Amino acid sequence: SAVISQKPSRDICQRGTSLTIQCQVDSQVTMMFWYRQQPGQSLTLIATANQGSEATYESGFVIDKFPISRPNLTFSTLTVSNMSPEDSSIYLCSVEGGAGGNTIYFGEGSWLTVV
Amino acid sequence: ILNVEQSPQSLHVQEGDSTNFTCSFPSSNFYALHWYRWETAKSPEALFVMTLNGDEKKKGRISATLNTKEGYSYLYIKGSQPEDSATYLCALYNQGGKLIFGQGTELSVKP
Repeated sequence: SAVISQKPSRDICQRGTSLTIQCQVDSQVTMMFWYRQQPGQSLTLIATANQGSEATYESGFVIDKFPISRPNLTFSTLTVSNMSPEDSSIYLCSVEGGAGGNTIYFGEGSWLTVV
Repeated sequence: ILNVEQSPQSLHVQEGDSTNFTCSFPSSNFYALHWYRWETAKSPEALFVMTLNGDEKKKGRISATLNTKEGYSYLYIKGSQPEDSATYLCALYNQGGKLIFGQGTELSVKP
């Protein structure tokens, strides 16, 4: 299994500002994933963060809005830029693990409210 | 676009009741289906990873079945307890670690 720590766990942000969420894993992993859940919506994949290369973004998500860093095999950050109320969401990071590599482990999430 | 549907969206049951909910997904190019349990302010917890048509898995009072040909999975909870209250998520898993989630079923168990 993998233990994932996320910071901050919760924050209230002003419109137009940016916030960086940190994700720390207790073991080295190749890929880290960032998800978002807006109120009443499904958990949706934002991007896949690979160490040593640019993140791969899903349709509807762009690097300017959600820049991602992956400086080493245990750490990643997601920045939510120029926030608006529509960015109020739970943001989760996750990693792949388990036998066969098909179990996904999640952090506890970062609950952001944009006012 | 792959679409994963869960029903019902929410469910309120009494302690001791058994309950079940459904996850529907496209049956083509199936790789795996995941079930998660997500309590507020905690990490989503993996319950089951299901890969084979006809799979049945069990963990305590919770079990799940899988039909990949018709594209559905059922999650059953026997003798619900208040601590079972959570949101239950299913997700299609693609090779490479990507998960496509349903909207979840929010279960509330009253003592």
